Amino acid sequence: GAVVSQHPSWVICKSGTSVKIECRSLDFQATTMFWYRQFPKQSLMLMATSNEGSKATYEQGVEKDKFLINHASLTLSTLTVTSAHPEDSSFYICSAREGTGMAEAFFGQGTRLTVV
Amino acid sequence: AQRVTQPEKLLSVFKGAPVELKCNYSYSGSPELFWYVQYSRQRLQLLLRHISRESIKGFTADLNKGETSFHLKKPFAQEEDSAMYYCALYRDSSYKLIFGSGTRLLVRP
Repeated sequence: GAVVSQHPSWVICKSGTSVKIECRSLDFQATTMFWYRQFPKQSLMLMATSNEGSKATYEQGVEKDKFLINHASLTLSTLTVTSAHPEDSSFYICSAREGTGMAEAFFGQGTRLTVV
Repeated sequence: AQRVTQPEKLLSVFKGAPVELKCNYSYSGSPELFWYVQYSRQRLQLLLRHISRESIKGFTADLNKGETSFHLKKPFAQEEDSAMYYCALYRDSSYKLIFGSGTRLLVRP
């Protein structure tokens, strides 16, 4: 299957700082990328959907100014958590798919963010 | 509203025993359902989707519209099946996935 890589795998940052997480499709062009958040022992919650060259579409309740998403190329999307606070600590996962909506989405390995 | 429910957080069976991971859904219309698996320290990956009607690694899942269920089954569990399993469906024509809370399958030797 296709490979989606996230970087970093884990990050610790101080409260009030911003942190950027990258999601790359290594061997295909990702028309659409998705960002999820997963709390311990809970399900994946979709945060936003990004299409290359367009503004991201955020799910209800997700602050767009807090979670900045950029999908500048067909192989890279970034999620920036701005002015991070301890409650933003979570596991963030991206997925990417190529082509039509029914195409399989491939998942990154996730990024564990800890805000101290 | 669309919803996926996995009632069991943990399912523990012995090797060779049958396995059934439960998934119920709420969806108006014709749902498209999936099972994803996450092995220890690995990323989430697609196990099977109902439209394919295939068996992957011995697992099958049948869509039962009357019971709004999509249970995952395997007749003889193997230790390597131990993993986290998520049931999911497409929310709507946007093809965004909604996930259940997941069930951890533990296959004991």
